[in-house]
Amino acid sequence: GEDVEQSLFLSVREGDSSVINCTYTDSSSTYLYWYKQEPGAGLQLLTYIFSNMDMKQDQRLTVLLNKKDKHLSLRIADTQTGDSAIYFCAERTGANNLFFGTGTRLTVIP
Amino acid sequence: GAVVSQHPSWVICKSGTSVKIECRSLDFQATTMFWYRQFPKQSLMLMATSNEGSKATYEQGVEKDKFLINHASLTLSTLTVTSAHPEDSSFYICSASFAGDGELFFGEGSRLTVL
Repeated sequence: GEDVEQSLFLSVREGDSSVINCTYTDSSSTYLYWYKQEPGAGLQLLTYIFSNMDMKQDQRLTVLLNKKDKHLSLRIADTQTGDSAIYFCAERTGANNLFFGTGTRLTVIP
Repeated sequence: GAVVSQHPSWVICKSGTSVKIECRSLDFQATTMFWYRQFPKQSLMLMATSNEGSKATYEQGVEKDKFLINHASLTLSTLTVTSAHPEDSSFYICSASFAGDGELFFGEGSRLTVL
């Protein structure tokens, strides 16, 4: 089955850039997503990228996709304390289903 | 954007009782709804996929008699945890899409604590 992996923790200083990485195994993925989850809350879609793109920028967020290496990253510029949360990458493989990574807990140090 | 609402947000129940969680699409008709379970500090695990008017499709390892899913209308799906036990305590999240290849919209989640 699909396997989506992320590193568990990331700490950055306020104002620095954060880069959260994700690897996946299914080469037939159609879309790849980044979700944010704050404590005790559901998921908030941050951004997504089509599998035939290699980059997407949306304000402070930049998504890079290396389809050959099956590697996805999310860069958050000028990271703020409000960005502290768990970030999940997810891949979609054609059906209306998503396979989630393990989540990366981002801690922003003031 | 499309809104998916879950109710209740928090529920505490005694062991052996049944609990129903509702997932509603507020401003669109959801042909497909998904139920996920999230254990503390872990990722989301898909439990089942439900299409309006038909039986839910459960993922391997998920007990269909334990987790009853009903998708009776295009705006409402329910998850009933029957004879709940402490190990069923978890965060349950639903998502919905309105057609075919549509985007998924997530509910706020429901935290179940079984005493």
